[in-house]
Amino acid sequence: DTGVSQDPRHKITKRGQNVTFRCDPISEHNRLYWYRQTLGQGPEFLTYFQNEAQLEKSRLLSDRFSAERPKGSFSTLEIQRTEQGDSAMYLCASSSLMNSGNTIYFGEGSWLTVV
Amino acid sequence: GNSVTQMEGPVTLSEEAFLTINCTYTATGYPSLFWYVQYPGEGLQLLLKATKADDKGSNKGFEATYRKETTSFHLEKGSVQVSDSAVYFCALTIAGGFKTIFGAGTRLFVKA
Repeated sequence: DTGVSQDPRHKITKRGQNVTFRCDPISEHNRLYWYRQTLGQGPEFLTYFQNEAQLEKSRLLSDRFSAERPKGSFSTLEIQRTEQGDSAMYLCASSSLMNSGNTIYFGEGSWLTVV
Repeated sequence: GNSVTQMEGPVTLSEEAFLTINCTYTATGYPSLFWYVQYPGEGLQLLLKATKADDKGSNKGFEATYRKETTSFHLEKGSVQVSDSAVYFCALTIAGGFKTIFGAGTRLFVKA
């Protein structure tokens, strides 16, 4: 049984560069989420997909951020023109529509450092 | 709105001490309640959950009871171990919803 996997685990980039993170959810899960976590804080919701449809985006997700889930399986989160304030851990999670209690399962996270 | 408030850390205990981490919530509907644990450099792992009032979630010696009258979901463990050192997050999801809302986390240090 494979869990949620994220790639890369760590990324250091220069300000102004673009970065892309990939998430592979648990195979039977049709819901996929992106969260952002900064040091000393809990995860903050960014966006949510049900199958391939992006159903909600947080106001935290500026125009420089875009997420896709083209075939309802894996998802990508792209950040364009990165800024130092984008430095955080980006967490992907998934869940099943049939899952009682709406339990979500997280990946290991992708650490982004913008220098 | 919906929110979760946890006691501030860090909490420092000696091995075999009793642990309580307080969590209270505000919710407009009927939430499911969760505790997640995060070890250094890792993502969040589900520790336990409760989906309705008076349910008790338990796992690995940790317990939490869903108290609707006090809107609380306090985490307890009778005897902590050094390996329990981590950050603990209380969270809620509104029934029928999809967004999980997290508290700020409580860091636990357990000394040998």
